[in-house]
Amino acid sequence: KAGVTQTPRYLIKTRGQQVTLSCSPISGHRSVSWYQQTPGQGLQFLFEYFSETQRNKGNFPGRFSGRQFSNSRSEMNVSTLELGDSALYLCASAGRTMEKLFFGSGTQLSVL
Amino acid sequence: AQKVTQAQTEISVVEKEDVTLDCVYETRDTTYYLFWYKQPPSGELVFLIRRNSFDEQNEISGRYSWNFQKSTSSFNFTITASQVVDSAVYFCALIRLSGGSYIPTFGRGTSLIVHP
Repeated sequence: KAGVTQTPRYLIKTRGQQVTLSCSPISGHRSVSWYQQTPGQGLQFLFEYFSETQRNKGNFPGRFSGRQFSNSRSEMNVSTLELGDSALYLCASAGRTMEKLFFGSGTQLSVL
Repeated sequence: AQKVTQAQTEISVVEKEDVTLDCVYETRDTTYYLFWYKQPPSGELVFLIRRNSFDEQNEISGRYSWNFQKSTSSFNFTITASQVVDSAVYFCALIRLSGGSYIPTFGRGTSLIVHP
C-alpha cells in the first residue's frame, strides 16, 4: 500500500505570492489533516477534512485554506505569503482507526 | 486546553547506551490517546506506538519500551542499546476527539543523537 504522498517536496516563493500544496492520502483513507512545523512553534494543527468537509480548524489566519476532493486528495493554499510562513507542511491521513495518523514527508516551503 | 511537554530538547548518547525520552501531558479529557512518533531527516513522522487513556499497560517492542503512568501524566519512551539509526527527532503527542475529528497536540520534540 502506498503511503501518504505530498507534492512538491520543496518550494521557494516570494512574499505576497500564493502557493498550493497537494496531499494524496493512503488508499481508502477519508480523513486528511494538515500541520505546520517550524523551529519556533513546533508542530501545529492547521485543519482536517473528512469526505470533502472541513471538520476542524486550528488557530491560523484566513490566508490558510484547504479543500478535499471526492477521491480524498487534499490541497492546502496559502495566499499573500509572509516570511513567517516558511515551514515544513505535513499532511496526514487516517482510516477507520481515525486517531492513528499516517504522515507524508512534507513540503518544505521557503518564503523569500 | 491540552499541553504536551518534552523537557529534553536534545539528548546525545554513545551507541549501546540506554536512553529515556520524557513526555508529560495535561488534559481535562478522560478519553484521549497518546502517541510517539519518530521524525528522521527525511521529514515524515513515523508512528511508533499508541496508547489510549484507559490502557496503562506498559509495552515492549524489541529495543523500544514505553511506560504510561496516568497518576503522573507521563508517557516515557526508552530505547535500549541505542543504535546510530535511532538518531532522529522524537515527538510525543496527545490526541483527543473534537468536533468529530481527532486533533493532536504535539510536544516540541526531543532530538536524539546517537554517536558511534
